[in-house]
Amino acid sequence: DIQMTQSPSVLSASVGDRVTLSCKASQNINKNLDWYQQKLGEAPKLLIYFTNNLQTGIPSRFSGSGSGTDYTLTISSLQPEDVATYFCFQYNSGWTFGGGTKLELK
Amino acid sequence: EVQLVESGGGLVKPGSSLKLSCVASGFTFSSYGMHWIRQAPKKGLEWIALIYYDSSNKYYADSVKGRFTISRDNSKNTLYLEMNSLRSEDTAMYYCAKFDWELGFDYWGQGVMVTVSS
Repeated sequence: DIQMTQSPSVLSASVGDRVTLSCKASQNINKNLDWYQQKLGEAPKLLIYFTNNLQTGIPSRFSGSGSGTDYTLTISSLQPEDVATYFCFQYNSGWTFGGGTKLELK
Repeated sequence: EVQLVESGGGLVKPGSSLKLSCVASGFTFSSYGMHWIRQAPKKGLEWIALIYYDSSNKYYADSVKGRFTISRDNSKNTLYLEMNSLRSEDTAMYYCAKFDWELGFDYWGQGVMVTVSS
């Protein structure tokens, strides 16, 4: 089974900061990776699909990159409404979520 | 507008059974694979089951294999999750989600809570 490891588990940043969240797979997942945002008390929401494609309606400050085993979600300028937990998800072999990164305001 | 509405959750004792439903609307339900995903209190997301659009294939996480059964009725636009031999560790919010191979989980239900406790 493919394991997905996200880091850091908690990230504190200030409004306007550039923020980078990491997701590492235990084996090559061929860019078959999505990112989801979950705000407190809500269902998750799709942000990025197939590594670097922005879902409709998602602000352009969000972007994704990566290949092989290493993937990144970047927020170019953190906004207060971005406070949430972010999960990566691989569907290359089986289906596995990462443990999540909780993003807080400093 | 796409909607996924789960129901059937509740408080049950260990060893009990429960059947969740997810009613879909706003898209051609019979054309898409559907998944169940759960989230234990204050924990991360756990994928638990997939059913293909035509029920031809079903896949389960090891944690629920042999105890849970995913099914669907395309005539009723409804997805099901039958849960048997429930354990305390099955306590979670259960979400159904529509999966598009080009987009990922593009729509989620609001979730239904299952609590397994004596």
